Amino acid sequence: EIVLTQSPATLSLSPGERATLSCRASQSFDNFLAWYQQKPGQAPRLLIYEASKRVTGIPARFSGSGSGTDFTLTISSLEPEDFAVYYCQQRSRWWTFGPGTKVEIK
Amino acid sequence: QVHLVQSGGEVKKPGASAKVSCKASGYTISNHGLTWVRQAPGQGLEWMGWVNTYTGTTNYAQNFQGRVTMTTDKSTSTSYMELRGLTSDDTAVYYCARLGLEGDYEDYWGQGTLITVSS
Repeated sequence: EIVLTQSPATLSLSPGERATLSCRASQSFDNFLAWYQQKPGQAPRLLIYEASKRVTGIPARFSGSGSGTDFTLTISSLEPEDFAVYYCQQRSRWWTFGPGTKVEIK
Repeated sequence: QVHLVQSGGEVKKPGASAKVSCKASGYTISNHGLTWVRQAPGQGLEWMGWVNTYTGTTNYAQNFQGRVTMTTDKSTSTSYMELRGLTSDDTAVYYCARLGLEGDYEDYWGQGTLITVSS
């Protein structure tokens, strides 16, 4: 089973700043890597799939990159509604989620 | 419009089973697979498995194999997730989600069902 590690655990930033979230896998896999956003009391929301494809309706400030074992979610300029927890997920034989990165207001 | 409506929360005794339903509306349930994800209080997301709602084929996470069963009743547009041998570690919100996007990614989610395991 592929294990995902996310860093940092918490990211304290101000609106307008750039957020860079990392997701590292215990072994290389095809780029079936997704990023989700979750706000308190809500179901997760898919932002990015297959490492870099943005879901229709997701703002362009969200972008995904990476391959192999290292992946990144970038939020180019944080909006107030972007403060949330972000999870990466890989889809090899069995899917797994990373532990999450909380993006909080500084 | 697409909706996934899950059954209500339940309190279960250790060792019991829980069966959560996920009723689909606004589309034909057998046209898209479903996945189940859970989240313990204050914790992260945990993938449980997926079910092909047309064929009944399933793929369960290793942590749940032998203890979980995902099924679909096409006549009622309802999918089910049953988890057996409950312990307090199974206390969580359980979500179903439709795999309706390109590449079988989630586009719609149920509202979540809280299963509490307590003696």
